[in-house]
Amino acid sequence: TQLLEQSPQFLSIQEGENLTVYCNSSSVFSSLQWYRQEPGEGPVLLVTVVTGGEVKKLKRLTFQFGDARKDSSLHITAAQPGDTGLYLCAGGAIYNQGGKLIFGQGTELSVKP
Amino acid sequence: DAGVTQSPTHLIKTRGQQVTLRCSPKSGHDTVSWYQQALGQGPQFIFQYYEEEERQRGNFPDRFSGHQFPNYSSELNVNALLLGDSALYLCASSRGLLSSYEQYFGPGTRLTVT
Repeated sequence: TQLLEQSPQFLSIQEGENLTVYCNSSSVFSSLQWYRQEPGEGPVLLVTVVTGGEVKKLKRLTFQFGDARKDSSLHITAAQPGDTGLYLCAGGAIYNQGGKLIFGQGTELSVKP
Repeated sequence: DAGVTQSPTHLIKTRGQQVTLRCSPKSGHDTVSWYQQALGQGPQFIFQYYEEEERQRGNFPDRFSGHQFPNYSSELNVNALLLGDSALYLCASSRGLLSSYEQYFGPGTRLTVT
């Protein structure tokens, strides 16, 4: 069974601070997605990474896929209150017969002004 | 360009009843996946439909069933509702089976079972 573990589960920081969220597994994934979800809404896709070692940047957000495709990280520079939300990583199952996503339990981020 | 839409937004049902949730995929997408998200947890995969067939299924009982229509829209049916079925039900769409790891989610249907 493929599992994804996110850490930390909760993060409360001040505006302007930097932070990193980790997504780890003992299994290899064909792809890794990061989503952001607000209360009562569906997850919004931020990025997809598919190649081991791949780094993608989205404004102040930097995403990295581990070389072995077993882990990923999300780094936010100079966090803003608008970054507040639930961040979810999701892996595409390696024996992908159609795109089942396996989600981590999420990291609840709160950025205080 | 319309995104993924789901209906209804909220639903309250009693134990033992049956419920049908609906989803229309993003324009250009032909694959629909359903997920259940309990409070404080990440979404759990229920099943995926492509070409009107169930292609993959997660660890959910047969009480959970679905359907995909020729226009790619989909329904999720849950029979004999239990209190534990209370959750946010999410529909996600993607393009093609091989690329279907890149999924776009709808706003969800909040189901409460009393």
